[in-house]
Amino acid sequence: GAGVSQTPSNKVTEKGKYVELRCDPISGHTALYWYRQSLGQGPEFLIYFQGTGAADDSGLPNDRFFAVRPEGSVSTLKIQRTERGDSAVYLCASSPNPGRDRALTEAFFGQGTRLTVV
Amino acid sequence: GENVEQHPSTLSVQEGDSAVIKCTYSDSASNYFPWYKQELGKGPQLIIDIRSNVGEKKDQRIAVTLNKTAKHFSLHITETQPEDSAVYFCAASPNSGSARQLTFGSGTQLTVLP
Repeated sequence: GAGVSQTPSNKVTEKGKYVELRCDPISGHTALYWYRQSLGQGPEFLIYFQGTGAADDSGLPNDRFFAVRPEGSVSTLKIQRTERGDSAVYLCASSPNPGRDRALTEAFFGQGTRLTVV
Repeated sequence: GENVEQHPSTLSVQEGDSAVIKCTYSDSASNYFPWYKQELGKGPQLIIDIRSNVGEKKDQRIAVTLNKTAKHFSLHITETQPEDSAVYFCAASPNSGSARQLTFGSGTQLTVLP
């Protein structure tokens, strides 16, 4: 079966431009997460969706970052007025259960989108 | 907020030897501690996790221990194989099994020499 798919795999954009990064989660997974990974570092949490709603956006660094998941499946991370410091690998993950019943909940990560702002 | 420190940053072992990676965390509210393996060009893959009500967990050649009092947890890989070579990340979360708000360590590059 297909895993989490992220497109594009690489994106180069000019400073100040707008970009959209897409995540196709595993079919049926209700929880979706966006993380950002800078070179040589661990991933940093950005935002968490449960269904269509953003249940936790506390990791978004500023109001240039926004994410949507209108039908509870595909999600798009949107970055306005990109800056060179936004360059990183943007990772998406999904899981079938948000941990509601305290059961083990494995999150499956995609391969990421490498964003380079020049 | 949570701060997770991970050591060592690089680790080389001979095939068949054991590898140990250690992490400390700062927030006593953290209750879920997963470990991820990341190969070049791929996303992190969960290999084992532990919750705060358990002191040790083992899955074949991989084991994790947790000391809540000292706020540290460790990954142990026995009988290492070349395919174990990758970057390993520890993480901590206050969300009881969810990947929400995971705070990751800075990673350990493990190299298993044949």
